Amino acid sequence: DAKTTQPPSMDCAEGRAANLPCNHSTISGNEYVYWYRQIHSQGPQYIIHGLKNNETNEMASLIITEDRKSSTLILPHATLRDTAVYYCIVRVRDSGYALNFGKGTSLLVTP
Amino acid sequence: GAGVSQSPSNKVTEKGKDVELRCDPISGHTALYWYRQSLGQGLEFLIYFQGNSAPDKSGLPSDRFSAERTGGSVSTLTIQRTQQEDSAVYLCASSLGRGAQVLSGELFFGEGSRLTVL
Repeated sequence: DAKTTQPPSMDCAEGRAANLPCNHSTISGNEYVYWYRQIHSQGPQYIIHGLKNNETNEMASLIITEDRKSSTLILPHATLRDTAVYYCIVRVRDSGYALNFGKGTSLLVTP
Repeated sequence: GAGVSQSPSNKVTEKGKDVELRCDPISGHTALYWYRQSLGQGLEFLIYFQGNSAPDKSGLPSDRFSAERTGGSVSTLTIQRTQQEDSAVYLCASSLGRGAQVLSGELFFGEGSRLTVL
């Protein structure tokens, strides 16, 4: 699986958009970008995934650059409950291998 | 149940004792994963089961760790002769797995079992 690079921490004001970047410059053509988050003391939670097109669901939007070497997870209106560690993972979908979680980005949403 | 269920939620044991942690995956999920998370650290992959295939044990840190999955459903993670460095939250996840109508490859996690070795 391609390696990902994320900033260790970010802050965001409540109500503003949180834009979490992820670099995956060695991504291969059949690898998807997955985002999970882990709220303190809970198990990780799936947010969104994509291959090359931008994706949106009820939780977030995923913007993938045309060359697929980086992506951005957007929480359009961050709330205090969005404070969590956000993990960007690149993997062949359903490859038969476990997801490898890195250190992620610790997002702090402030009032 | 609707989600992945793990038990016990908390376990305190003495160094040298054996412990068993249980995971009940979502019904119909053929893939099951064990991870552990030490305080302030990321998730460390331990073992992965997919249907009737041989499990991927590449993440098990030592031969004191073992896991089994009976009947393709419930899984038990066993740690023998526990050490203080085994203290962590042990997380189980399940997914639809290969060959099924996989929509996203999404993993569903349980709330974890917090192990404290004194």
